[in-house]
Amino acid sequence: DQQVKQNSPSLSVQEGRISILNCDYTNSMFDYFLWYKKYPAEGPTFLISISSIKDKNEDGRFTVFLNKSAKHLSLHIVPSQPGDSAVYFCAASGPNSGNQFYFGTGTSLTVIP
Amino acid sequence: ETGVTQSPTHLIKTRGQQVTLRCSSQSGHNTVSWYQQALGQGPQFIFQYYREEENGRGNFPPRFSGLQFPNYSSELNVNALELDDSALYLCASSPKTSGGRNTGELFFGEGSRLTVL
Repeated sequence: DQQVKQNSPSLSVQEGRISILNCDYTNSMFDYFLWYKKYPAEGPTFLISISSIKDKNEDGRFTVFLNKSAKHLSLHIVPSQPGDSAVYFCAASGPNSGNQFYFGTGTSLTVIP
Repeated sequence: ETGVTQSPTHLIKTRGQQVTLRCSSQSGHNTVSWYQQALGQGPQFIFQYYREEENGRGNFPPRFSGLQFPNYSSELNVNALELDDSALYLCASSPKTSGGRNTGELFFGEGSRLTVL
């Protein structure tokens, strides 16, 4: 049962434009969300997080938006750079998750120079 | 500051064998989690160790077991390997000041890629 879903396996964006990566979840108890970036042959690296008490968190070019009623979050990257080309995973946890983070299947972002 | 390191980086085993994967946590981190990432999938939680005890477990059978040592390093052991165990095994460490819920970011190693033939 996939509790966190990333329905777009891939996304291509021109350099300088906005990249929007989407993530949906089914468990209404989830209250903490993370985004990770993964390059080939490397482990995932943390990008940005948001807790359910907020609907937006910003860190430089990266902004995460949370819509609790829709059980949806999105990661905006502005402006997109070729070095942003990677696989992006969203992850979620809740008070009943038993220290587990549930990950989506990832979206492969390609930023075209 | 030393990051999370895992060994070996690649290994090949045959069905029915046993494997041990090792992880050194990032300096100052006392909690280690293990995740399995199959091809085309996101990481799936196997278990977490805190203060040398299992502190949460995902939906994996008992043939997946682990250890955490006093220096916070950890091992993942898998017995009776099956073909479906072929995956990237990721170790992640995090700081935790109590046995409570992990709400901090996870710091991942590069992973150990296991192939079962």
